[in-house]
Amino acid sequence: DTAVSQTPKYLVTQMGNDKSIKCEQNLGHDTMYWYKQDSKKFLKIMFSYNNKELIINETVPNRFSPKSPDKAHLNLHINSLELGDSAVYFCASSQVGKRQYFGPGTRLTVT
Amino acid sequence: TQLLEQSPQFLSIQEGENLTVYCNSSSVFSSLQWYRQEPGEGPVLLVTVVTGGEVKKLKRLTFQFGDARKDSSLHITAAQPGDTGLYLCAGGDSGGGADGLTFGKGTHLIIQP
Repeated sequence: DTAVSQTPKYLVTQMGNDKSIKCEQNLGHDTMYWYKQDSKKFLKIMFSYNNKELIINETVPNRFSPKSPDKAHLNLHINSLELGDSAVYFCASSQVGKRQYFGPGTRLTVT
Repeated sequence: TQLLEQSPQFLSIQEGENLTVYCNSSSVFSSLQWYRQEPGEGPVLLVTVVTGGEVKKLKRLTFQFGDARKDSSLHITAAQPGDTGLYLCAGGDSGGGADGLTFGKGTHLIIQP
């Protein structure tokens, strides 16, 4: 009965590759988010997605693209991975304006 | 860009002592939330404060929202080793929109037995 789940938990890949991280929520929420947590534990919003409206943090490179096949999923696709993309990526969901529930995170290591 | 400054960044104290963590901003937030994050897990919400001057208690934890809704504090009484973790404050947007949370840089708390 996991509320917000992410796969994979760990992802190790080489520079230049393209990878995806999947996120699913079974809470019936209408809004989903992606956050990036750097090595100093600073959490920063990347995207939020609500009823097909995408709100993008302007600092996110366009190599990152969220894709939502349905209301319960928001996947994160990353093109041409760079060393600086190494971080822990968290998915979260909420009813708009309400409490956010976070997934367990995906630790991405780019070598 | 709204920013949240958290202090201290690191805190190591002995079991039984009291401590306060601060979260300050130059911007007004519609709400302020405190999270605790364990290693290898996502942040878990502890409390949300909405009204200026609001005080909420969660067992030995006391949360306060400043009158101007720009700052908040977390006070722990008689800290225990189980309180060890990363504490994050986060500001929510106004109008009930779908914007994500703005997080502070966190306070790494270690309670030594």
